Amino acid sequence: AQSVAQPEDQVNVAEGNPLTVKCTYSVSGNPYLFWYVQYPNRGLQFLLKYITGDNLVKGSYGFEAEFNKSQTSFHLKKPSALVSDSALYFCAVRPTGGGNKLTFGTGTQLKVEL
Amino acid sequence: KAGVTQTPRYLIKTRGQQVTLSCSPISGHRSVSWYQQTPGQGLQFLFEYFSETQRNKGNFPGRFSGRQFSNSRSEMNVSTLELGDSALYLCASNDLARDKNTEAFFGQGTRLTVV
Repeated sequence: AQSVAQPEDQVNVAEGNPLTVKCTYSVSGNPYLFWYVQYPNRGLQFLLKYITGDNLVKGSYGFEAEFNKSQTSFHLKKPSALVSDSALYFCAVRPTGGGNKLTFGTGTQLKVEL
Repeated sequence: KAGVTQTPRYLIKTRGQQVTLSCSPISGHRSVSWYQQTPGQGLQFLFEYFSETQRNKGNFPGRFSGRQFSNSRSEMNVSTLELGDSALYLCASNDLARDKNTEAFFGQGTRLTVV
């Protein structure tokens, strides 16, 4: 069975500072990993994915994520946070064996303050 | 290209009633998945349909069911509603038949409140 852990319920960061939202996963075989963002009363918006290849993945709105196979982690990063980045962030894993069943982490609320 | 469309956006039902939610995927996408989001349980997978067949199923009681039509539109039905079914129900579509590496695209969700 696959699982995702997001150890921080909330991350606070000052605008202009770098941000990191942590994610670790457990899956048999090679994972497909995703980050999604959710704004209040909205659906999930895709940010980026890791399928294979380069461990540093670049996505939308200046976000990037680093895949670390030995630590089974896929942390989301941004060099300079904006107040508008404040939202709920979800890490998800999908098995490579077919189908589209996503297993999500519990989510991390990011709060960027002036 | 239009995104994933879910209707209705908001719904209030009484315990014991049943409800049907609708999802229209992105044009050309044949995989449709449903998720339940609650503050206590987070995002949980309900089921996935591909070419009118249920391909994956989550751990939900039989009161939760779904179907997919030949045009890939999907519906999910919840019978004998319970207070605990109050949630945001999200639909996602995917073009896995064309590209197995592609991501899922989500709709805005249907907010179901059971009173």
